[in-house]
Amino acid sequence: DSGVTQTPKHLITATGQRVTLRCSPRSGDLSVYWYQQSLDQGLQFLIQYYNGEERAKGNILERFSAQQFPDLHSELNLSSLELGDSALYFCASSVGLADPTDTQYFGPGTRLTVL
Amino acid sequence: GESVGLHLPTLSVQEGDNSIINCAYSNSASDYFIWYKQESGKGPQFIIDIRSNMDKRQGQRVTVLLNKTVKHLSLQIAATQPGDSAVYFCAEIIDGRDDKIIFGKGTRLHILP
Repeated sequence: DSGVTQTPKHLITATGQRVTLRCSPRSGDLSVYWYQQSLDQGLQFLIQYYNGEERAKGNILERFSAQQFPDLHSELNLSSLELGDSALYFCASSVGLADPTDTQYFGPGTRLTVL
Repeated sequence: GESVGLHLPTLSVQEGDNSIINCAYSNSASDYFIWYKQESGKGPQFIIDIRSNMDKRQGQRVTVLLNKTVKHLSLQIAATQPGDSAVYFCAEIIDGRDDKIIFGKGTRLHILP
């Protein structure tokens, strides 16, 4: 158990809908990362937050947004969903050092299925 | 559990033998590399890392080798155990930037009894 929790574990929704994925980082970790993992694309970095502020942005679509709250939990909002958004979405947390060797701990993921 | 990468290359290794998993990375500006293990139904788990100024790093039962000349990374697992069954993938970080992280597609390690 990494100490990172994600809810829900599974989510099934229809095209055009909007969903919110939730992540609680490990106790003491200030940084939260979101990743998308699909069968054909592998794992892709979406966005990172540090202590409530956006720190880095990757291949995140404009239909997607995220935020980190004062209690450090984070939410990833996916809107106008398309079939291609079906994937595993992982959250990871780290202490938040501005150093790539700052180890990230991954949550169990949320499986999103868009029908 | 969830299946990740149903069509990934598979390495089958006899229990007790050593495993070598390879990864070709893409960018010569990458300066930090990580190997992750992902078991079915779980998120990726950090195994070992290496900076570009090193060519070898050892952990507990694992060794990572880096060949910058040919942009190749390998993970060696000694005395492979059933619990090592998982998908293994490498990640490269470019210029020390978190937003410049690229993950490999992965290799499935299958342990034969």
